Amino acid sequence: GAVVSQHPSRVICKSGTSVKIECRSLDFQATTMFWYRQFPKQSLMLMATSNEGSKATYEQGVEKDKFLINHASLTLSTLTVTSAHPEDSSFYICSARGGSGDTQYFGPGTRLTVL
Amino acid sequence: KQEVTQIPAALSVPEGENLVLNCSFTDSAIYNLQWFRQDPGKGLTSLLLIQSSQREQTSGRLNASLDKSSGRSTLYIAASQPGDSATYLCAGDNYGQNFVFGPGTRLSVLP
Repeated sequence: GAVVSQHPSRVICKSGTSVKIECRSLDFQATTMFWYRQFPKQSLMLMATSNEGSKATYEQGVEKDKFLINHASLTLSTLTVTSAHPEDSSFYICSARGGSGDTQYFGPGTRLTVL
Repeated sequence: KQEVTQIPAALSVPEGENLVLNCSFTDSAIYNLQWFRQDPGKGLTSLLLIQSSQREQTSGRLNASLDKSSGRSTLYIAASQPGDSATYLCAGDNYGQNFVFGPGTRLSVLP
């Protein structure tokens, strides 16, 4: 089946630093990738939709200048959390749309802890 | 806008019981319906995907059904085991759109 990877799987950083998370579709081309966030004991919430070669579409309440998304190729999207703060600590999961069946495949997630 | 709810929020059963988890959605134009398992502190494990024109999927002791007209999906777990303890999430998408997740059902299977 289609595989989506995320790197890193876990990151701990100091407040004020920037962190980049990569999402890759390994065996299919993904014209659209989605970024979700999951706070402790909550479900996943969509942050933004990323289309290859165009600007990302952000959900209401998500700061586009803080969460920079780049979808430069059909197999790679990146999420950069700029000037991270402790309240940004969360589990970030991407999904990629494509492959057979026209569905979405989820990455394993990245756990971000900001000290 | 699609909204997904799940009942019950938590469930505790003795080992060996058959159980049903419920998922409801508001938009019958749902395209794919997927059930996931999530262990504490871990990512998502896809259990069953019901695609577009399908109504049911089975994998081992798991069976998921989808009724678009009533806005419901159920996940049936047969002969539950302690290893089944986890949070179960259902999620649905409309064609080309993101998945919308339910809040999850936290399952505990007691030995």
